[in-house]
Amino acid sequence: EIVLTQSPGTLSLSPGERATLSCRASQSVGSYLAWYQQKPGQAPRLLIHDAASRAPGIPARFSGSGSGTDFTLTISSLEAEDCAVYYCKYRSKWPPRVTFGQGTRLEIK
Amino acid sequence: QVQLQESGPGLVKPSQTLSLTCTVSGDSIGSGEKYWTWIRQPPGKGLEWIGYIFYSDVAYYSPSLRGRVTISVDTSKSQFSLKLTSVTAADTAVYYCARGQNEGFQPWGQGTLVTVSS
Repeated sequence: EIVLTQSPGTLSLSPGERATLSCRASQSVGSYLAWYQQKPGQAPRLLIHDAASRAPGIPARFSGSGSGTDFTLTISSLEAEDCAVYYCKYRSKWPPRVTFGQGTRLEIK
Repeated sequence: QVQLQESGPGLVKPSQTLSLTCTVSGDSIGSGEKYWTWIRQPPGKGLEWIGYIFYSDVAYYSPSLRGRVTISVDTSKSQFSLKLTSVTAADTAVYYCARGQNEGFQPWGQGTLVTVSS
């Protein structure tokens, strides 16, 4: 079973700074990794799929990179509205299974 | 615009069965390379995948819940449903439904809190 480990657990940065969030898989997941953003009191929303492709409507300041076991979500210039918990997720087609990372909480000072 | 809406009891007694329905609008539940999924989130914790189903009625479940969970689909009503048996306090969570495609889960329903308590 694949385990996704996200780091850091919490990140506290100021508006305009760059945020770098990490997701590490216990074994290779190819490029089949997605990132989700969950703002307080809201359902998650898809940000990035296939490691590096932005979902429709997602601002260009969000970017994803990586393959295999190491992935990064970068927010180039933070805005107050980016305060949220960010999850990485892997879906295995066989056996059919979905695994989420434990999340990184991003706080905007 | 595709929308999903969860519905069902907000309070379930221990050992009973949790039943939720997700109603889909703006998309055909019965076609395409889509799958329909349930995810839950205990209060203050992370996301946990429960399972998903294709319109062909083939379903797959999380190993940690297999044996207690059933997901079904009713294409005539554009709904899919979740049943979780023998619930305990550990099943207290916000339950989300979402549409799955190759890209990922999008959109999600707003979520519904289910509390297991006597």
